[in-house]
Amino acid sequence: EAGVVQSPRYKIIEKKQPVAFWCNPISGHNTLYWYRQNLGQGPELLIRYENEEAVDDSQLPKDRFSAERLKGVDSTLKIQPAELGDSAVYLCASSSLWGASPYNEQFFGPGTRLTVL
Amino acid sequence: SQQGEEDPQALSIQEGENATMNCSYKTSINNLQWYRQNSGRGLVHLILIRSNEREKHSGRLRVTLDTSKKSSSLLITASRAADTASYFCATPRDNYGQNFVFGPGTRLSVLP
Repeated sequence: EAGVVQSPRYKIIEKKQPVAFWCNPISGHNTLYWYRQNLGQGPELLIRYENEEAVDDSQLPKDRFSAERLKGVDSTLKIQPAELGDSAVYLCASSSLWGASPYNEQFFGPGTRLTVL
Repeated sequence: SQQGEEDPQALSIQEGENATMNCSYKTSINNLQWYRQNSGRGLVHLILIRSNEREKHSGRLRVTLDTSKKSSSLLITASRAADTASYFCATPRDNYGQNFVFGPGTRLSVLP
């Protein structure tokens, strides 16, 4: 069974440029998460989807970040324009093969390491 | 706000020794999960312990949960160099949803 796929793995851009990250969750998983992980820290939730609906985007900086999950499968996270402080690893995770539950484990992708110069 | 906080921040041990890391949290939870992250990789789920459980084992891993002290510990026995990684505890932000809060992690180095 394929795991969570993310691309690209690495991205280097100059500040003020746009950038997009793509995530393909595990087949059948309804819940999809985007996290940001700063160096030496744990992941911080940006947005959570249940199917195609963003059910929690309270921590997504909406002035420059946007996300979508068309058809409730793949998802894209975009930053426009990027700032120096956006340098981090962006992780995608999925869960909930059997329905929403606080006991579901999350399956993480390898992440995209973003460097903003 | 951060729910879980791991301790110590970093731990260095010799191969074969046991490693213990702790997680403290602030509010009531219905479960606590431990994850491992190897350098440059995503997180991997290790074990979930429910609030009505006090101890759980999985291979060389032993997790305890003390809800009265709002703390959990992860013990890795007979450590191996491959156990070198960062370990995170994750706690639900609330008892109904699926949003989890991760601590800053414990960076474990197992020296051969």
